[in-house]
Amino acid sequence: DAGITQSPRYKITETGRQVTLMCHQTWSHSYMFWYRQDLGHGLRLIYYSAAADITDKGEVPDGYVVSRSKTENFPLTLESATRSQTSVYFCASSDDRGNTYEQYFGPGTRLTVT
Amino acid sequence: AQSVSQHNHHVILSEAASLELGCNYSYGGTVNLFWYVQYPGQHLQLLLKYFSGDPLVKGIKGFEAEFIKSKFSFNLRKPSVQWSDTAEYFCGVCSGNTGKLIFGQGTTLQVKP
Repeated sequence: DAGITQSPRYKITETGRQVTLMCHQTWSHSYMFWYRQDLGHGLRLIYYSAAADITDKGEVPDGYVVSRSKTENFPLTLESATRSQTSVYFCASSDDRGNTYEQYFGPGTRLTVT
Repeated sequence: AQSVSQHNHHVILSEAASLELGCNYSYGGTVNLFWYVQYPGQHLQLLLKYFSGDPLVKGIKGFEAEFIKSKFSFNLRKPSVQWSDTAEYFCGVCSGNTGKLIFGQGTTLQVKP
């Protein structure tokens, strides 16, 4: 049972570079999410997706792009990385069966922008 | 807009002390409520959840939470904390059937042995 995986786990990049964080889940959950975790701000929702080809903005979407061509994958792209995007990024998925929307989280990607 | 507020940002307790972490949300409709825990160096795990029925819900490791609809609150409690409860705790609110889950700022709990 692979669950939900993220890659890479650690990434260092330079300001202005494009970087893509990958998220893959094996449960066929309809919903997927990207959060960033920063000291003093907790977890903030960047983007989420209710199904393949359906995405929507969260609380802090600026500077990020997402796509969801397949149910199991939900990549997050920083088109031109900035130092303020240094953070730990968590991907999550949830199932809307039963309308409980319990989320399952990946292990996180620690991104440093220099 | 939907928002979640956790009142205590950093709590320090001695072992065996009782714990209550506050969580309030702003959303007028149907909500699903969650508490997640993040142990040092680990990813988030579900502690407990409420989506209907008895407003007092019990979770893992002796935690419980009470949904008080009139107060828009979902406070987390544990009668006697242990050193192993040292972690960060997040309250989450999912509004209606949108699936969109918003978290509070988190509360860091430090339990002294």
